[in-house]
Amino acid sequence: DAMVIQNPRYQVTQFGKPVTLSCSQTLNHNVMYWYQQKSSQAPKLLFHYYDKDFNNEADTPDNFQSRRPNTSFCFLDIRSPGLGDAAMYLCATGNKWTSGIFAYNEQFFGPGTRLTVL
Amino acid sequence: AQSVTQLGSHVSVSEGALVLLRCNYSSSVPPYLFWYVQYPNQGLQLLLKYTSAATLVKGINGFEAEFKKSETSFHLTKPSAHMSDAAEYFCAVSDHGTGTASKLTFGTGTRLQVTL
Repeated sequence: DAMVIQNPRYQVTQFGKPVTLSCSQTLNHNVMYWYQQKSSQAPKLLFHYYDKDFNNEADTPDNFQSRRPNTSFCFLDIRSPGLGDAAMYLCATGNKWTSGIFAYNEQFFGPGTRLTVL
Repeated sequence: AQSVTQLGSHVSVSEGALVLLRCNYSSSVPPYLFWYVQYPNQGLQLLLKYTSAATLVKGINGFEAEFKKSETSFHLTKPSAHMSDAAEYFCAVSDHGTGTASKLTFGTGTRLQVTL
C-alpha cells in the first residue's frame, strides 16, 4: 500500500545533541510537510517542500532545518535540541486537487516520531 | 486569514449514543474543510473533507459532516458511538494554495471519550 513512513517512531536524544528524523513516501506526491505537535495541542506547521522548493514558516526557529534529497525522502534536523523541543513530529505529503480556479493539497500523514529530550 | 474554532475540548458520550463534534470556520473565500482523527501516538487520519461539492459529506467509520454556510459550521456527527471512536478529532481549513502548496489551519482539537 502507498504510504508515508517515519523513522524512528520513538527517538531519545540529549540536550544539545543533534538529531535527524526521517520521512519517506511511496505516494509520489510533490509536497512534503513537517509539523510539530506538543501534548494536547494541534499540529503546528514548521515548513514544507513543494518539489525542491523549501518554504519555511515565519515562526519556525533556526534550530530546525530540513532536507529533501529526492521526491521520496525528507529529513528534519534539529541542530541543538532543547527541552522545549520534545514533541511528536509529523510528516505529511500532499497531492494537488483543483476545484474551479483554486487548488488545494489533501494531506496524508505518517505515524509520527515522538522525540524525547533528556 | 482563515481559522477554525472547535467548541468543547472534551466530549463524553455513551456507547451507542449520537456523537456531535462542533467546528466553526472563518474564511474570506470559499473554504475547504477537513476532519481528521488521531489515535494515541499515531498520525492524523482523514475522516472526510468538504471541497465545495455536496454540503453533506460522508466519511469513513460512519462519520459525516454538513457544511452550513449560513452558520459557518462544519460539525461532525455519527449516529451511534463505538468504543473504538475514542480519539482526538481535529477540524481544519485549507487555504487555496495560490502560491506553492496549500496549508492547513487546525482547530485546537476535541477529545472524544466513549463510555459503556
